[in-house]
Amino acid sequence: GAVVSQHPSWVICKSGTSVKIECRSLDFQATTMFWYRQFPKQSLMLMATSNEGSKATYEQGVEKDKFLINHASLTLSTLTVTSAHPEDSSFYICSARDSGRAVSGEQYFGPGTRLTVT
Amino acid sequence: DAKTTQPPSMDCAEGRAANLPCNHSTISGNEYVYWYRQIHSQGPQYIIHGLKNNETNEMASLIITEDRKSSTLILPHATLRDTAVYYCIVRKGDTDKLIFGTGTRLQVFP
Repeated sequence: GAVVSQHPSWVICKSGTSVKIECRSLDFQATTMFWYRQFPKQSLMLMATSNEGSKATYEQGVEKDKFLINHASLTLSTLTVTSAHPEDSSFYICSARDSGRAVSGEQYFGPGTRLTVT
Repeated sequence: DAKTTQPPSMDCAEGRAANLPCNHSTISGNEYVYWYRQIHSQGPQYIIHGLKNNETNEMASLIITEDRKSSTLILPHATLRDTAVYYCIVRKGDTDKLIFGTGTRLQVFP
């Protein structure tokens, strides 16, 4: 089956620094990827839609200057959390759909990246 | 996207069928019903999806009512590894967005 990987799987950083998280589709191409955030005991919250070769689309309330998204190729999207603060500590998850399949088809999720800001 | 309503939690004995309900009374004609599950601290896993007809795959069955206002995910023989949060999501067929609700926490016990 289709595989989506994320790197790193966990990261600890100091307040004020920036952290980059990678999302890769390993055996399919994805023109669109999605980034979610999940706080403990809560559901996934969609942050943004990452579009290959164009600007990302952010959900209401998500700061685009704080969460920088780059989708430079059909298999890679990156999320950079800039000037991280402790409240940014969360579980970040990406997903992707195989561009060669129907839009109504399933999305594949990465294993997630746990970010802790100290 | 249509809103879904699921019970917050359910229990099921190992080996028995787990029937997880979902209400989506405001669903429109071009919206699909998707089920995903999330095991603790992992990314969600796709289970099944459908539009009008009942669907079955190696993991589960999806029963959609004739009026499409509700559906039931059936895990025919639940195992301890099926303990997870199960999300029912309604999504339009021409959009990629998945909006997660609060889901049902299924606990399978020995």
